[in-house]
Formats: sequence, structure tokens, C-alpha cells
Amino acid sequence: GAGVSQSPSNKVTEKGKDVELRCDPISGHTALYWYRQSLGQGLEFLIYFQGNSAPDKSGLPSDRFSAERTGGSVSTLTIQRTQQEDSAVYLCASSLGGDPEAFFGQGTRLTVV
Amino acid sequence: GQSLEQPSEVTAVEGAIVQINCTYQTSGFYGLSWYQQHDGGAPTFLSYNALDGLEETGRFSSFLSRSDSYGYLLLQELQMKDSASYFCAVRGRGGYQKVTFGTGTKLQVIP
Repeated sequence: GAGVSQSPSNKVTEKGKDVELRCDPISGHTALYWYRQSLGQGLEFLIYFQGNSAPDKSGLPSDRFSAERTGGSVSTLTIQRTQQEDSAVYLCASSLGGDPEAFFGQGTRLTVV
Repeated sequence: GQSLEQPSEVTAVEGAIVQINCTYQTSGFYGLSWYQQHDGGAPTFLSYNALDGLEETGRFSSFLSRSDSYGYLLLQELQMKDSASYFCAVRGRGGYQKVTFGTGTKLQVIP
């Protein structure tokens, strides 16, 4: 596609429910990143993929968070048993192999009520 | 681990020059990037420095000193549309594709 696409753009969920956030990177981009941004804050690194593998999962806040990437393309971030502190904007970005420029999607705004 | 420090807020006058500093601590440094984010928008890439010195792209320039673990973004001829948050980001430990962002500097341009 023309850019990084994330869905849904907004998600309101009840505490304790599971949610899935989707990211479609730019075609051909081998690196894919997930970040979390709370209101007015910086970008908190969650995980990145090189192809389908995730060399670094150190940023995932707890074992309720997991992510996968299939076919070297689409990625899904899953949050189980959501908590109110999970409320944030979840941003996905992709880049070509060694290229330093990452392209971001518009994010998914998650609200846990 | 990795950490980056930036001023939280900067105010500057339209037409002026502003410098946003970034200091970082990391192992396995590969390069320093800068991103711009308008309220409600996605971050967009501005520049990248892998080597010491100044990189210029139009009104924006970015500088890196690896020995000082320091960089800055210089914005010239400020325009109102430059009001946004600016993030430095470092490629470091974890592989050259792990990018860690600073907490961001909110720039307000005033008339």
C-alpha cells in the first residue's frame, strides 16, 4: 500500500477483555515496530520484527501483551485482559532493511473503560 | 539500556532560529534520528546522523557528536506550522533496527 495502515483507528473496550490491533506495513518493508504513546508522552518501544521474527521483545510491558507477524507483512498486537493503564495510542512503523527512516501509521487509540 | 534526554518544552518566535538538544546513553550506537509529530498526527522522519557533523535538509539541520553522546536539531526561519513535538531517537543496543525514542520536545512558535 501507499503507507502504513493500522486498524481499528479507535477502540473502546471493557476492562478484562482482549483486543487485537492490526498493522499493515508498506509493501517490501522488512522491519516493523510497535510503540505505545500515552497522552503528551514519548514513544515507548514495545517490540520490533525483522521479517517474521522478533529479535527484541524486551519492551512488552507484561505477559498480557503479545505480537506476531506473518508472511513478513501484517502484524497483530494482542492485549489480553486489558487494564485501564493500557489506554494509549498504539503506533506501528515500518522501514526498509537498513534504512533509518521509519514510516508510521496513524495509530490505534485504545480506551479501556 | 538506552535513555535519551530532551527539554520538555521550547518557545520561539516566528522567523527565528531554535535548537533542540538531545543527549543519550546507549551501547552499540548506530545513529541518531529526529522525528516531528503534530498534535493528533503520526511521527514523521526529519533526519538521521550516523557520523559526527552537521546534516542539512532545507530549513532543518541536525548535528551529532558521538564522543559527547549529544546531538541537536536546528530549525531556521521558524514558521507557525513548525509548532509540534520533536523526538530524537537512537539506534543502539538490540540491533541496528531497534530504535528508542526520547520523551520529546514540544515546540511552540509564537508570532
